[in-house]
Amino acid sequence: DTQMTQSPSSLSASVGDRVTITCRASQGIGSWLAWYQQKPGKAPKLLIHGVFNLQSGVSSRFSGSGSGTDFTLTISSLQPEDFATYFCQQAGSLPFTFGGGTKVEIK
Amino acid sequence: EVELVESGGALVQPGGSLRVSCAASGFTFSSYWMSWVRQAPGKGLEWVANIKEDGSEQYYVDSVKGRFTISKDNVQKTLYLQMNSLRVEDTAVYYCARPVASRSYDYWGQGTLVTVSS
Repeated sequence: DTQMTQSPSSLSASVGDRVTITCRASQGIGSWLAWYQQKPGKAPKLLIHGVFNLQSGVSSRFSGSGSGTDFTLTISSLQPEDFATYFCQQAGSLPFTFGGGTKVEIK
Repeated sequence: EVELVESGGALVQPGGSLRVSCAASGFTFSSYWMSWVRQAPGKGLEWVANIKEDGSEQYYVDSVKGRFTISKDNVQKTLYLQMNSLRVEDTAVYYCARPVASRSYDYWGQGTLVTVSS
């Protein structure tokens, strides 16, 4: 199975900050990497797919990058509605696996 | 508008069985693979199973193989997950989700809670 190691597990940031979350795959996954945002009591929301493709309707302050085994989600200017938990997901091989999550909290 | 609505979650004793459902609308259900993803309380996300558009292929995470069965009724536009021999560690919110070409999930249901406890 492909393990997804996400870091940090939590972070505190202020509105307007630039935030970076990383995900490392235990083996190459090509471009099969997605990022989700989840708020308490809600289903995950797709932000980025195929490493860097912004999902329709998602703010352009979210961006994705990376290749091979190392991937990054960047929020260019954190907004109040961005305080949530973020997960990466690999779909390079079954079983699809998720990172452990990064909780973004208000500083 | 795409909508996925799960139902059927309940409190079940260890060793028991339960079937959860996901009613789909707003898209051509028969043209899509579908998935179940679960989330234990306060934990991360875990992919559980995939089923091909026509139901002819199914894939499972090892921890549920032989116990869970995913199926879909393209006439009723409903996805199912039959869960047998339930264990305490199967306690989770179960989401149905629609995978797209990038194998990511663009639509999710609201989830249904399955609690396995004596």
